[in-house]
Amino acid sequence: SQQGEEDPQALSIQEGENATMNCSYKTSINNLQWYRQNSGRGLVHLILIRSNEREKHSGRLRVTLDTSKKSSSLLITASRAADTASYFCATDAGRGNQFYFGTGTSLTVIP
Amino acid sequence: GAVVSQHPSRVICKSGTSVKIECRSLDFQATTMFWYRQFPKQSLMLMATSNEGSKATYEQGVEKDKFLINHASLTLSTLTVTSAHPEDSSFYICSAHGTGFEKLFFGSGTQLSVL
Repeated sequence: SQQGEEDPQALSIQEGENATMNCSYKTSINNLQWYRQNSGRGLVHLILIRSNEREKHSGRLRVTLDTSKKSSSLLITASRAADTASYFCATDAGRGNQFYFGTGTSLTVIP
Repeated sequence: GAVVSQHPSRVICKSGTSVKIECRSLDFQATTMFWYRQFPKQSLMLMATSNEGSKATYEQGVEKDKFLINHASLTLSTLTVTSAHPEDSSFYICSAHGTGFEKLFFGSGTQLSVL
């Protein structure tokens, strides 16, 4: 299976705390992306990091990529209740036009 | 931003009937569309990749005669679940990829319930 794995599967934190979730994948990649999904909805793109990048920021999001370990992390700082959702990493498996998703992390931010 | 519209959002049907789900890119040309299936609290499983004007490429274990995919234009792809059975009940999501875009744009999903 091309699918990657994420941990933790579920994460519950207090509002204001930081949330870190990790993604591991199996194949070489051109880029790795993080998506967010609210329950019963489609996915929304959050951030993309290319294989030659090690870290990227976007607002309260910070993504790291370690291609030697085939892993990535997503950090959400100063979490808000509205951040409650499932978060998925996706890789293109080096093909550029096929995308495989990790197992996802369900984040609950308690107000 | 780019918008992908997916219809219907929810379908309830009897076992044995066929269900068609539409996925449209509203303001860009989708050279490639992807169909995913998602079970509750699980990840998205890629079912097939379709390029405009050509046959879809199905992932291993996905029955092409069961899940018919048509990508007749750069803005429309359809997934038809033929002779649906209760085990086909799931959340189906389409996504589109266009030239010049690195990210995917997703439809809002279709919850299929087969009685």
